[in-house]
Amino acid sequence: RKEVEQDPGPFNVPEGATVAFNCTYSNSASQSFFWYRQDCRKEPKLLMSVYSSGNEDGRFTAQLNRASQYISLLIRDSKLSDSATYLCVVSVTGGGNKLTFGTGTQLKVEL
Amino acid sequence: EAQVTQNPRYLITVTGKKLTVTCSQNMNHEYMSWYRQDPGLGLRQIYYSMNVEVTDKGDVPEGYKVSRKEKRNFPLILESPSPNQTSLYFCASSYRDSYNEQFFGPGTRLTVL
Repeated sequence: RKEVEQDPGPFNVPEGATVAFNCTYSNSASQSFFWYRQDCRKEPKLLMSVYSSGNEDGRFTAQLNRASQYISLLIRDSKLSDSATYLCVVSVTGGGNKLTFGTGTQLKVEL
Repeated sequence: EAQVTQNPRYLITVTGKKLTVTCSQNMNHEYMSWYRQDPGLGLRQIYYSMNVEVTDKGDVPEGYKVSRKEKRNFPLILESPSPNQTSLYFCASSYRDSYNEQFFGPGTRLTVL
């Protein structure tokens, strides 16, 4: 089983739609969680950190469920510019400061 | 401008010819790391460094070396490249550790023939 698993997609959605991505992680010692965005062939960039209480940044909402070991990302009112690959990232306590990335979920927002 | 730079951006080489990919950051970050990205496998950590002269293996360190003699630089060395090291490589840095936001360089696309 992969340490961090994501549905690769692609998710093709119309502009204005709400779309949700899930990510599961296998190591219960995981401590920090993030969503990164990666445009085609470009470097990943931090979208948002994921906190235990959940957090929101504009149209984006991230949730963490430690009991079930999954993280979610909700995008409301999708824009064409949201088209990208979304990477789930986990850092493990005592894991020597290693970061583990999911393979990413591709989102395509269409007119 | 705060940034992470990598050089070269593109490289085509042959099996066995030693190469170095440089990485430099101007943000005085303590933590630096190298990743490779392959289709279907995502980003995998090769090596990371918590500070000068402190380096540790990531998930896929075989065939790679790194050094951290200065805080700003973290070169990736392939002593004897092989075709299975053909990949897209990213360098990243963060303020202190893996719990902080990672700032990535633009990537180096390496092809080993």
